[in-house]
Amino acid sequence: DGGITQSPKYLFRKEGQNVTLSCEQNLNHDAMYWYRQDPGQGLRLIYYSQIVNDFQKGDIAEGYSVSREKKESFPLTVTSAQKNPTAFYLCASSIRETANTGELFFGEGSRLTVL
Amino acid sequence: AQSVAQPEDQVNVAEGNPLTVKCTYSVSGNPYLFWYVQYPNRGLQFLLKYITGDNLVKGSYGFEAEFNKSQTSFHLKKPSALVSDSALYFCAVRDFRRSYNTDKLIFGTGTRLQVFP
Repeated sequence: DGGITQSPKYLFRKEGQNVTLSCEQNLNHDAMYWYRQDPGQGLRLIYYSQIVNDFQKGDIAEGYSVSREKKESFPLTVTSAQKNPTAFYLCASSIRETANTGELFFGEGSRLTVL
Repeated sequence: AQSVAQPEDQVNVAEGNPLTVKCTYSVSGNPYLFWYVQYPNRGLQFLLKYITGDNLVKGSYGFEAEFNKSQTSFHLKKPSALVSDSALYFCAVRDFRRSYNTDKLIFGTGTRLQVFP
């Protein structure tokens, strides 16, 4: 079945360590997104990519990095520079341009806890 | 800038009663509006969207939403609530600006719906 796969579902990290969250999609979607979810704050956009080898900062990009070397994959690295990394991270994708009404398809999320 | 607001952190309703979850928006141009639902520790699931056309939009699981341009609102509704509808609901608006190569969804803060038996 087509969909978006995020891994791992749960991740624990010590302070000062970088960690990479995986996001893979087989929907043949051009655009991919990373959101962070915190209680009471809704979803905030970290980074997004509308095409391979290109990405743009969202509202809270500091302390995060991404790459988009393949259409299917959009990994997110949470670096040690991110001051409050404990959160629920959601990856999403969408069709681009003329077929796109903006609707996003989401993965099941990855919960990162910094110890 | 495009934005949405969900004025209620939580909505409580008895099973079988109608429910409304409120959303207001602020956009330049014609709005593309969405509702999503999230169950605990899960991703977001698409419920419905308004792009153009009829102001009453029907979606998944018996939900519908009414687009009101004069009140800049897009409230989510269901005629008869179920306990299984209890979840976190998000309103979103598309921010599409071709000249800035921008295309993303901006989400509200979410409203927790609790349906009591």
